[in-house]
Amino acid sequence: GAGVSQTPSNKVTEKGKYVELRCDPISGHTALYWYRQSLGQGPEFLIYFQGTGAADDSGLPNDRFFAVRPEGSVSTLKIQRTERGDSAVYLCASSLSSGGFGELFFGEGSRLTVL
Amino acid sequence: GENVEQHPSTLSVQEGDSAVIKCTYSDSASNYFPWYKQELGKRPQLIIDIRSNVGEKKDQRIAVTLNKTAKHFSLHITETQPEDSAVYFCAASTINSGYALNFGKGTSLLVTP
Repeated sequence: GAGVSQTPSNKVTEKGKYVELRCDPISGHTALYWYRQSLGQGPEFLIYFQGTGAADDSGLPNDRFFAVRPEGSVSTLKIQRTERGDSAVYLCASSLSSGGFGELFFGEGSRLTVL
Repeated sequence: GENVEQHPSTLSVQEGDSAVIKCTYSDSASNYFPWYKQELGKRPQLIIDIRSNVGEKKDQRIAVTLNKTAKHFSLHITETQPEDSAVYFCAASTINSGYALNFGKGTSLLVTP
């Protein structure tokens, strides 16, 4: 596709449920990032993939959050036992550069609301 | 880890005036400093970036300056237009973090006609 695609665009779930958010990066981009953006805040780094491996997952807030990128393209962010504080827009970005000064191309985000 | 502070949080200017947004960072190893613009309900988009071996970079009406000694960098927008109204985020990254960007909290810029 022409840009980074994220699905679903909106997700409403109940506290305690499990959710998956999908990111389809720009073809050929080896680096993939997940960020979380709360209202009025800047994007908060969660995890960075270089190819299939998580090169840096230091931003994941706790062990309820997990992300995979099994074939080095599509990535899924998984959140277990959701809490109201998890409500935010989850942004995915990809970059052509493998650890260089590359522009991040963001998706439109997945807005998660935990009731 | 890296901590990026951004000021002001809101900025209102009249069309045609200049706008300046300032950021400071904590990790002296940071060497890449991009600025992203986010319009309401849209994705962040890169508008300009600077690397640590450069002190200033300009692209038409926007410019960025970097002072590595003081660990601060600034965005300058001249001849502002209403379409410049958006939230602007500064960011910093270092090879130590795999170039994952650490963003400031954003500046909401309003340009009034």
